[in-house]
Amino acid sequence: QVQLVESGGGVVQPGGSLRLSCAASGLSFSSNGMHWVRQAPGKGLEWVAFIRYDGSIKDYADSVKGRFTISRENSKNTLYLQMNSLRVEDTAVYYCANLLGAGWGQGTLVTVSS
Amino acid sequence: QTVVTQEPSFSVSPGGTVTLTCGLSSGSVSTNYYPSWCQQTPGQAPRTLIYNTNTRSSGVPDRFSGSILGNKAALTITGAQADDESHYYCVLNMGSGIWVFGGGTQLTVL
Repeated sequence: QVQLVESGGGVVQPGGSLRLSCAASGLSFSSNGMHWVRQAPGKGLEWVAFIRYDGSIKDYADSVKGRFTISRENSKNTLYLQMNSLRVEDTAVYYCANLLGAGWGQGTLVTVSS
Repeated sequence: QTVVTQEPSFSVSPGGTVTLTCGLSSGSVSTNYYPSWCQQTPGQAPRTLIYNTNTRSSGVPDRFSGSILGNKAALTITGAQADDESHYYCVLNMGSGIWVFGGGTQLTVL
C-alpha cells in the first residue's frame, strides 16, 4: 500500500522560507516522477512542481518559478519542496503526489501571514 | 495562457450515467496531454481515478472510465452512487513538464 506523508508545514511571515518533505513508502520511489500540488482555502487544485524519477528534470508553475525548488533523495525515499520568498497567496495545503495513479499524501498546511 | 475548462457543476440521479468533460480554451485535448482525473471529497485529500486518458488507478471501480470524446477528455460514471458526490478535477500535461488542473466539477447525486 502506497503511503505519502508530508511534513514541514506551518505559519511563516511573508518573505520567509519553509521546506516541505514527503516520505514515500510502498512504491518504487526511485522509478516514479513526483509532483507537488497545492490547494488554497476554498479553492481548486493548482499544480506547483514536478521532478523526474532521477531528478534530472524539474518544472515549475509560473506562480512559483524562481522562488520554489523541488528536489528528491531517492536513497531516503523522500521528496522535498524548498519554498523561499513566501507570499500571502502561497497559503495552501500542499500535497505530494504521483499523478500516474500511485497516490497522494494527506497534505500539509502552509500559512503565510504577518 | 491556455486554460483547462470543466463544467462547474453537474447532477446525476442515483444509478444514472454522467459524463464530465475537460477541454482547452484554445485547441483540442488528445491522448498526448495524458489526461488524468482526480476525485476529492470535502476535507479529504484528492485521489487519482484515471490517468493516461483511460487507465484506472488501483482499487478504482470499473464504473469510472476515461476517454477522449470529440475535442475533450471525458470521465464517465456509470451507475452513480451517493458516495460519488465529490469534486472532480482533470489535469493535463501541457508539455515541457508543465501540468495544469481544470477548475473542477462539483458532482451532485440526487
